[in-house]
Amino acid sequence: GENVEQHPSTLSVQEGDSAVIKCTYSDSASNYFPWYKQELGKGPQLIIDIRSNVGEKKDQRIAVTLNKTAKHFSLHITETQPEDSAVYFCAASMGNSGYALNFGKGTSLLVTP
Amino acid sequence: KAGVTQTPRYLIKTRGQQVTLSCSPISGHRSVSWYQQTPGQGLQFLFEYFSETQRNKGNFPGRFSGRQFSNSRSEMNVSTLELGDSALYLCASSLGYPRVNTEAFFGQGTRLTVV
Repeated sequence: GENVEQHPSTLSVQEGDSAVIKCTYSDSASNYFPWYKQELGKGPQLIIDIRSNVGEKKDQRIAVTLNKTAKHFSLHITETQPEDSAVYFCAASMGNSGYALNFGKGTSLLVTP
Repeated sequence: KAGVTQTPRYLIKTRGQQVTLSCSPISGHRSVSWYQQTPGQGLQFLFEYFSETQRNKGNFPGRFSGRQFSNSRSEMNVSTLELGDSALYLCASSLGYPRVNTEAFFGQGTRLTVV
């Protein structure tokens, strides 16, 4: 099946620093790319998403960029806070219809005070 | 507005048994997708339902099945349970067709342990 590769698998930053998580996908028909945050014991929570007709999207301290030619997309968190500590997943739609998503394996982000 | 509700939260079953998990989507949402989450394989797509019809199916054996009711609630069933079926089963709710590729909201999941 089509894959989504996510790096790094773990990331440790100091409070106030920036964190960047990168993903690549292989399905050329993918046109929707959400990012999820999952805390221990909870389901994934949608934090931001981007569609293929947009190159960049920002929501307060979180931004996502998409390079469709290179099949790359990235999550940027600025001014990190301890409460940002969680596992982050990128995903890409399977084809250009429906709601099925291919997920990356996740990045465990630790923000130390 | 209530979120996605999955029941039960925890289940322990014996190998060879079958299990049924339930998902109630957000009010007004008509599409329900199911995912299996394990430490080794991560989040893997099982199937997607809209208007009581399966729209997409992932690469899982026929022991995994699902259905959707007219009120959009969905159930998934796993028959002849294997140890490897131990996982967190997540349900995601979306608005549904004809709008595609819109936000999917997850429930807290059902933790299934097969012993």
